[in-house]
Amino acid sequence: QKEVEQDPGPLSVPEGAIVSLNCTYSNSAFQYFMWYRQYSRKGPELLMYTYSSGNKEDGRFTAQVDKSSKYISLFIRDSQPSDSATYLCAMSENTNAGKSTFGDGTTLTVKP
Amino acid sequence: GAVVSQHPSWVICKSGTSVKIECRSLDFQATTMFWYRQFPKQSLMLMATSNEGSKATYEQGVEKDKFLINHASLTLSTLTVTSAHPEDSSFYICSARAPTTGLAGAQILYEQYFGPGTRLTVT
Repeated sequence: QKEVEQDPGPLSVPEGAIVSLNCTYSNSAFQYFMWYRQYSRKGPELLMYTYSSGNKEDGRFTAQVDKSSKYISLFIRDSQPSDSATYLCAMSENTNAGKSTFGDGTTLTVKP
Repeated sequence: GAVVSQHPSWVICKSGTSVKIECRSLDFQATTMFWYRQFPKQSLMLMATSNEGSKATYEQGVEKDKFLINHASLTLSTLTVTSAHPEDSSFYICSARAPTTGLAGAQILYEQYFGPGTRLTVT
C-alpha cells in the first residue's frame, strides 16, 4: 500500500465549477502538506502548503488538512480553463532534512 | 524568486552513450537538490538527494554508478546518465530546497522548487 493515495481522476468540469481534489495518507508523522500543479511536459509548481491540520485560502484555492482522518483536500472555486493541469499532493515529516512523498496526481480539465 | 533551471530541456541520445543534465538555482543558494524521474501519467519518483560538497544519497533501487550526481556548488547539481539504454528514457526533474518563512512563528520551512524538467529519449 502506498503512503499517499490520490484520487486518480481524470476530472472534467465546466468552467466556473468548484473542483475538489483529495489525498489520503497512512503516515501519521507527516506534518507538512503541499499541493503542486504540473502542466504537461513541465516541472511541478508549488500552489500551496499547510502545516498540520486546518485550512488555508489563497485566492480561488483552499487547502484543507484533517490529520485525524489523514485526509487532505484542495478546492478550486470558479475554475478556469487555465486551471487544466495535473495536481499533485505531497507530504513530508519535517522541515530540514525530510523529503516529500508525492501522490500520483489527478489530471483536471476545465472546459470553456 | 526561487527559480530553478534545467539544461537541456530535451535530449536524444544513442544507446550506450552518456548524457549530462544540469540543474541550477538561479536566485538562491540550495544546499540540497533532489533528482526525480517521472514516467508518463505517473508521479515523481525520487532518485536521489544531492547535498553540496558531499556524496548524493540514492533511493533504494537506484543505481548510483549509472546515475552519477555531482553537487559542486550551492547553485549547480548535475545528473549524468551513464551508458544510457532505451529504458532510461523518461522525464527527469530536479528540485532545489530553499528556506521560506514558516507558518508557525519563526519556524523555518524548507520548500522545494522544481526545474522545468529534461526529457531524455534513448534510441
